[in-house]
Formats: sequence, structure tokens, C-alpha cells
Amino acid sequence: SQTIHQWPATLVQPVGSPLSLECTVEGTSNPNLYWYRQAAGRGLQLLFYSVGIGQISSEVPQNLSASRPQDRQFILSSKKLLLSDSGFYLCAWREGWGTTSTDTQYFGPGTRLTVL
Amino acid sequence: QKEVEQDPGPLSVPEGAIVSLNCTYSNSAFQYFMWYRQYSRKGPELLMYTYSSGNKEDGRFTAQVDKSSKYISLFIRDSQPSDSATYLCAMTGYGGSQGNLIFGKGTKLSVKP
Repeated sequence: SQTIHQWPATLVQPVGSPLSLECTVEGTSNPNLYWYRQAAGRGLQLLFYSVGIGQISSEVPQNLSASRPQDRQFILSSKKLLLSDSGFYLCAWREGWGTTSTDTQYFGPGTRLTVL
Repeated sequence: QKEVEQDPGPLSVPEGAIVSLNCTYSNSAFQYFMWYRQYSRKGPELLMYTYSSGNKEDGRFTAQVDKSSKYISLFIRDSQPSDSATYLCAMTGYGGSQGNLIFGKGTKLSVKP
């Protein structure tokens, strides 16, 4: 069966500090991977998605970036955090496009980031 | 007009009540519909998946899609305190090909013992 991991679970960082959040998926190959941010009252905001190693699509302009160095690893980064970067960050996966799969996405446990 | 509208609640019901959660959408190309349940400080988990119009039942949960009205519903029968969570609807127009999910903002449900 497939599992998705995220770490750390919680993080408190000062404004202007760097950020690195990691997501890994087990039990599947060539998944699509997603980073979302969830802020109170604002729903899920898609930040980045990736259909393969080194392939990143950005949905919103921001000071965050994403990378996919391995097939089942997805990293969210920032060089300098802003107060507005606080939120609940969720990684998700789905079976790759072109398969006979559904469009269902499966979420990780999330990372709660507080920028002070 | 937003692509997906969902009443944020909060919705509070007594234990045993029938709960109705709803989403409306504007894109007639949507044909794959999902409901996710999210407990506080946890990631969303898939609850129901339906394709096109009609009903789908799984235990106490029934998902209903009315494409002519662009309206989807999730019914919870005999609601339990453990059903207290935020419920997110999601949808897309594509199957197995390009297309990302569009999510509603979620409805917060509280079931009181």
C-alpha cells in the first residue's frame, strides 16, 4: 500500500530565515506530487505540482520554491520567510497522468509552520 | 463567480441527526467529484469518490451529484461525534489525464453527544 510522509510536523521560524519541508511517498512509482497551503478560512491553495523528476509547475507567484530531486521526493523551500508564509502545508500525491487511475489525491499529515 | 462554492458553516447537529453538506460549481466540464474529511490539525482523507451524475453509498455516507444543477451533496446518516471534522468537496473535469482538483473551502461540522 502507498504511504506519504511529511516532516517536520511543526515548525516555528523567525522572519527572514530559510525553510525546507520534505515529502516522500512510498509504494508507488512516477506519481504526480503536490504542495498545498491551508490558511484559516481560505481553503486549500495549490502552490506547486510536479509530474516527474525536475518538473515543477508553479500555481501562484511567491517567495517559495519547490524541487523534485527523486521520483518520490518533493521539497518545498524558501530563502527568506515572510510572516504571510505561516500556515498548514500539505503534500499530496496521485497516480501519474496517462494512467487509468482516478484523479483522487492522497494527502500527507501536514506541517504546521509559524513564522514569527 | 468562484468555480466551487461551499458553505463554511460551522454546522452543529445533535448525535443521530442526518447531515447534508453541499457544494455548487460553475464549470460544466467537471465530472469527477470527491469528498474529503479533515480532522483538526490533520491532512484531508478521501471519503467518497463519484463519477458523473447519480448517487453512491458507503455505510452511513451517501454522495449525490446533480450535474444539471451543478450541485453535489454528501449525506451522513446517524451522525456520530467522531464525524466532527471539516468536509471538503473537490472536483475536476479530467480522468487519468491533465487536470488538477478544484477544492471548496470546506464546511466545519460539529456533532454534539
